[in-house]
Amino acid sequence: DGGITQSPKYLFRKEGQNVTLSCEQNLNHDAMYWYRQDPGQGLRLIYYSQIVNDFQKGDIAEGYSVSREKKESFPLTVTSAQKNPTAFYLCASSPQGLARSTDTQYFGPGTRLTVL
Amino acid sequence: GQSLEQPSEVTAVEGAIVQINCTYQTSGFYGLSWYQQHDGGAPTFLSYNALDGLEETGRFSSFLSRSDSYGYLLLQELQMKDSASYFCAVRSAPRANQGGKLIFGQGTELSVKP
Repeated sequence: DGGITQSPKYLFRKEGQNVTLSCEQNLNHDAMYWYRQDPGQGLRLIYYSQIVNDFQKGDIAEGYSVSREKKESFPLTVTSAQKNPTAFYLCASSPQGLARSTDTQYFGPGTRLTVL
Repeated sequence: GQSLEQPSEVTAVEGAIVQINCTYQTSGFYGLSWYQQHDGGAPTFLSYNALDGLEETGRFSSFLSRSDSYGYLLLQELQMKDSASYFCAVRSAPRANQGGKLIFGQGTELSVKP
């Protein structure tokens, strides 16, 4: 089945620790995105990548880092520099190109990160 | 800055029709999308408008007026399972510049009552 997966579903970390959230897709999509969602809030873009080995900062990139070494994978590291990391993290992907379908983003199930 | 405005909450009864509005102020406009998110779940795509007018997909329709920087999502024959948050999202830059990057609104929580 084609889709986008995130692991783990729930993650707990101690203050001061870095943690990496996994995101994998087998949809053959070029573009991938990381969002943060706080309770009762919309989605805020952290980082996005249009192609392998390239990525750009979103609106709230401070305290986060990403890599895009493979088309299928776009891991997000939440570093100790992120002051308030407790949130729901969503990964998404979309195809590239000129078709209207490229405005559709496909989301993974999310990782709920709690800092203790 | 760039922003999208939508009501925070809407309540309606089963079988009714509800309209969720979205107004946007963005540096550019290349399309308005709508997403549904059930509590604790992932957003799923509902509808997309790039040109003025109404797009219909089953019980859901979406409307766009670019001159008014305004759109809405219309849900007909409401069912209990439609209780969820609904987000509008705008692509504000050409795909060549920023790919499919979207700006999301804060979301509208729809409660459907029996």
